[in-house]
Amino acid sequence: QVQLVESGGGVVQPGRSLRLSCAASGFTFSSYAMHWVRQAPGKGLEWVTVISYDGSNKYYADSVKGRFTISRDNSKNTLYLQMNSLRVEDTAMFYCARDREQLVLGDAFDIWGQGTMVTVSS
Amino acid sequence: DIQMTQSPSSLSASVGDRVTITCRASQGISNWLVWYQQKPEKAPECLIYAASTLQSGVPSRFSGSGSGTDFTLTISSLQPEDFATYYCQQYNSYPYTFGQGTKLEIK
Repeated sequence: QVQLVESGGGVVQPGRSLRLSCAASGFTFSSYAMHWVRQAPGKGLEWVTVISYDGSNKYYADSVKGRFTISRDNSKNTLYLQMNSLRVEDTAMFYCARDREQLVLGDAFDIWGQGTMVTVSS
Repeated sequence: DIQMTQSPSSLSASVGDRVTITCRASQGISNWLVWYQQKPEKAPECLIYAASTLQSGVPSRFSGSGSGTDFTLTISSLQPEDFATYYCQQYNSYPYTFGQGTKLEIK
């Protein structure tokens, strides 16, 4: 079945780095734009970044621009989020999510992973 | 950035009630609006996209309307499984932005 599974979360000190992964299965990964969305404990949803289906276009929220990098490996059906210079305020559950339509950059998210928790603390 | 404002922030209702949640965009977004439902400790799920199109598998008691800056999500007859938090989100332009959420609780 269509599935996204995140991994790579954990506890990290401020200023350190972490890389999240999102493994996709059950669909043609290379045809869909992919997003990362985060949710701080007890708070609402915050869109973080998007990458086009072919990796040629990327956009970031101002809060992570210059610190986070989204990438994908279509041969491995995997999405990544490299997070550098982590801050306490980056503490959140990180979800990967898929665009609803193929071959577009910009749509509602129809498939979400279960999330991976990132805690930034000294 | 486009700001999305939901109201109310919380709502108490009973099974069988009709409820409406509103979402306002700070500038026009045509119909590029989606509604998600999130239950505790779970990922969000898409209910309605393009402001009024029901996602496959979503019960018909959910409906959406609106265009431009003002949108509504209506649940025609609340069921026990509908008690959750609801978010609107615009996908007209980056950065995508969410409303702050509406927590629907049992009265």
